[in-house]
Amino acid sequence: AQTVTQSQPEMSVQEAETVTLSCTYDTSESDYYLFWYKQPPSRQMILVIRQEAYKQQNATENRFSVNFQKAAKSFSLKISDSQLGDAAMYFCAYRRGTSGTYKYIFGTGTRLKVLA
Amino acid sequence: GAGVSQTPSNKVTEKGKYVELRCDPISGHTALYWYRQSLGQGPEFLIYFQGTGAADDSGLPNDRFFAVRPEGSVSTLKIQRTERGDSAVYLCASSLSVTGNTGELFFGEGSRLTVL
Repeated sequence: AQTVTQSQPEMSVQEAETVTLSCTYDTSESDYYLFWYKQPPSRQMILVIRQEAYKQQNATENRFSVNFQKAAKSFSLKISDSQLGDAAMYFCAYRRGTSGTYKYIFGTGTRLKVLA
Repeated sequence: GAGVSQTPSNKVTEKGKYVELRCDPISGHTALYWYRQSLGQGPEFLIYFQGTGAADDSGLPNDRFFAVRPEGSVSTLKIQRTERGDSAVYLCASSLSVTGNTGELFFGEGSRLTVL
């Protein structure tokens, strides 16, 4: 069965600095998607960034980028120029790409605090 | 509205009672997911629908939990004989389809269930 592990329950970063959140996963599939979702205190989860496993190039979205290491099954999120609005829970998630079940499996999350 | 709508936002009930939680997905989204999130934890998969049918209900914890989506749009999660351990936030999410798309889930704000 696929699993997603986030080993950092909480991280802190100074405003304008860079922080990296870690995620590892376990799967025997070769085709899958990986995601980072953000959940602010208001509770509604929103997508931050997405990576297709077949793409070697790391995804980037403005200040957010990932370091996708397929062989190591690692998928870390880098937030550059951190802002107060980045404070939230961040969840790493996995989903198969083709066939079988398309359920999303989430990690336990990392709480990010941004210090002014 | 244009987003995923969940009602009620908060529900307090007594142990042993029956509860229904409703999810209205984004128009045109054929895939609908239910997750349960306990305090400080990541979302735990319950069930997902593709159209009217439950494609994967492997996450439903026991036969007290049931979900329907009779017309392929609105879904209702039903919990019978509620127990204190059912207390959690129940999240609903929808996506355009389970295949052939970017895989992004759009979440509602959740229904917080408290069982006294």
